[in-house]
Amino acid sequence: DQQVKQNSPSLSVQEGRISILNCDYTNSMFDYFLWYKKYPAEGPTFLISISSIKDKNEDGRFTVFLNKSAKHLSLHIVPSQPGDSAVYFCAATFYNAGNMLTFGGGTRLMVKP
Amino acid sequence: DAGVIQSPRHEVTEMGQEVTLRCKPISGHNSLFWYRQTMMRGLELLIYFNNNVPIDDSGMPEDRFSAKMPNASFSTLKIQPSEPRDSAVYFCASRPGQLNTEAFFGQGTRLTVV
Repeated sequence: DQQVKQNSPSLSVQEGRISILNCDYTNSMFDYFLWYKKYPAEGPTFLISISSIKDKNEDGRFTVFLNKSAKHLSLHIVPSQPGDSAVYFCAATFYNAGNMLTFGGGTRLMVKP
Repeated sequence: DAGVIQSPRHEVTEMGQEVTLRCKPISGHNSLFWYRQTMMRGLELLIYFNNNVPIDDSGMPEDRFSAKMPNASFSTLKIQPSEPRDSAVYFCASRPGQLNTEAFFGQGTRLTVV
């Protein structure tokens, strides 16, 4: 049973446009959410996070939105750049999860010049 | 800090052989995780430790897989005997004990079992 799902395995966007990556979760206990970016032959690196007490968190070109009622979060990248081309993973955890992070399956973003 | 260090970066072995993957977490981090990345399942949690104690190993696929954390600065993931379907990239990650913090990943070990 996948508690965190990324239903789009890939996404292609033109440089300069907005990239929107989506993530759904089923466990209503999750209260902290993270996005990671992964380049080939490298480990995932942390990008941005959001606590369940917020519905939006922004860091430069990256914004994460959380809709708790829909159990849905999204990552917006504006404007998209070719260097953003990578696999993006969303992850979730909650207070009593013992520090464990549950990851989605990932979405491969391709930003075309 | 040099970050999470994994070794080896690449491992090619024959089916039936024992494989040992190694991880050095970031100093001071309380939790250590072993993940496996596959096309079908994305980042799949195999096992994690809190303060060197295994907490949840329900993701370990079979008895052929075992993990240890003898001290706060070292962990191993062993596969014995290895099979071709074990071929994947294995990641180790560590995380501080505080709430609402991120986990830091190593660069991974690409395992190929032929």
